[in-house]
Amino acid sequence: DAKTTQPNSMESNEEEPVHLPCNHSTISGTDYIHWYRQLPSQGPEYVIHGLTSNVNNRMASLAIAEDRKSSTLILHRATLRDAAVYYCILKRGSTLGRLYFGRGTQLTVWP
Amino acid sequence: EAGVAQSPRYKIIEKRQSVAFWCNPISGHATLYWYQQILGQGPKLLIQFQNNGVVDDSQLPKDRFSAERLKGVDSTLKIQPAKLEDSAVYLCASSLDANTGELFFGEGSRLTVL
Repeated sequence: DAKTTQPNSMESNEEEPVHLPCNHSTISGTDYIHWYRQLPSQGPEYVIHGLTSNVNNRMASLAIAEDRKSSTLILHRATLRDAAVYYCILKRGSTLGRLYFGRGTQLTVWP
Repeated sequence: EAGVAQSPRYKIIEKRQSVAFWCNPISGHATLYWYQQILGQGPKLLIQFQNNGVVDDSQLPKDRFSAERLKGVDSTLKIQPAKLEDSAVYLCASSLDANTGELFFGEGSRLTVL
């Protein structure tokens, strides 16, 4: 499974933007970049995904580098509810939907 | 829309005992996954079903773990006999489309083996 590298932890203040980085230097042309987050005592939940172009949805934005070797999940205004572990995952077409999670980034949001 | 249902939420057993977890996926979701999440780690995929067939179980410790998805809807994951290192949260997830769909996770079943 393709590897991603994320910082172990990050901190932010409430209502400030948060940029969560992810490196995936071995990404292949058909790998999708997926982000999930896991709130305390809950299962992971889908946040966003993309292939080449930047993506926006109601939860976040995903900025993908031109060479696709890195990406950044952007939370535009962090809230206390955004405190979670964020996972950056490469999803390969050959794996029929299977997601392989790393350790993710623990985001702490301060009031 | 109802989410992925799992039970029990918590289970405490002694080593060498057996335990079973149940999962009911979102209606219409053909693909079902079981993950194991040990404290401080990301979820680890154990098995994937497509309808009632196994797509991948390469990471399932088959000497003690078994899973089935009869009739292509509900699924059960069994551990027999349990070991101390099986203490973890067991997460069930489902997706509508295995290739492009997002995964929807349940809240998990927390197992403690004493």
